[in-house]
Amino acid sequence: NAGVTQTPKFQVLKTGQSMTLQCAQDMNHEYMSWYRQDPGMGLRLIHYSVGAGITDQGEVPNGYNVSRSTTEDFPLRLLSAAPSQTSVYFCASSYSTDFNEKLFFGSGTQLSVL
Amino acid sequence: LAKTTQPISMDSYEGQEVNITCSHNNIATNDYITWYQQFPSQGPRFIIQGYKTKVTNEVASLFIPADRKSSTLSLPRVSLSDTAVYYCLVGDPDILTGGGNKLTFGTGTQLKVEL
Repeated sequence: NAGVTQTPKFQVLKTGQSMTLQCAQDMNHEYMSWYRQDPGMGLRLIHYSVGAGITDQGEVPNGYNVSRSTTEDFPLRLLSAAPSQTSVYFCASSYSTDFNEKLFFGSGTQLSVL
Repeated sequence: LAKTTQPISMDSYEGQEVNITCSHNNIATNDYITWYQQFPSQGPRFIIQGYKTKVTNEVASLFIPADRKSSTLSLPRVSLSDTAVYYCLVGDPDILTGGGNKLTFGTGTQLKVEL
C-alpha cells in the first residue's frame, strides 16, 4: 500500500511550456485534490474531485486543468506555465467526500517556472 | 474570511509541553476540528481530530471547550523531531452536500523545538 504517489518530485519549466503533474492513490479513495503551497500562504486548494468523472474548482484554479478518468489517478495539467506557478504542489486523497474525513497527502512536487 | 486563526510561530525546548490554540468562531454545528502536522519537504499528515471536550491519542491531546469556538492542541514533552508546522482546520460550512473535502488550510503555526 503506497498511499498517495506524486511524480515528478522536482521539475523546472520555461515560461509557456506545458506539463502534467501525476498523482495516484492505491487506497480506493473517492475524493482527491490538489493544493499549492507558497511561502507565507499556507496550502491553497486548486481543484478537487469527488469521484471518477467529477471535478470542481477550488480557491485558485486559474491556469490549471484536471480530469479524473479513474478512481486511482488525478493528474494536474499546466497548459502554459507562468512564473507565478512556481510552487510546491501537493496531491491529497480521502476515503469519502465527508468534509470531516482524514486527508492523506503525497510528498509533493517542487515546480520552478523560469 | 479566514476560517481559523493560529499563532504564526512558537518556540519551545525539549521535554516541555506545548499548547497551540486555534480560534474558529464560525465553526458549523456538524464540523469536526482537525489538526495536521507538516515537516519540511513533506506533505501534511493527520494527527488528531475531535468534536467536543477532549480527545487523546498516542501523539497529542485536543481540548475543545463547550462553545467550540476554539481548540487547543497539546503536545506532551516535545522533542526536536516535533519541529514542524501545525495546521488547525474545520470543515468548510459552504460545502454541505457532496461538495467534497474542501478543507481550508491557513498558514499554520511553525513550532520550533530546541535543546
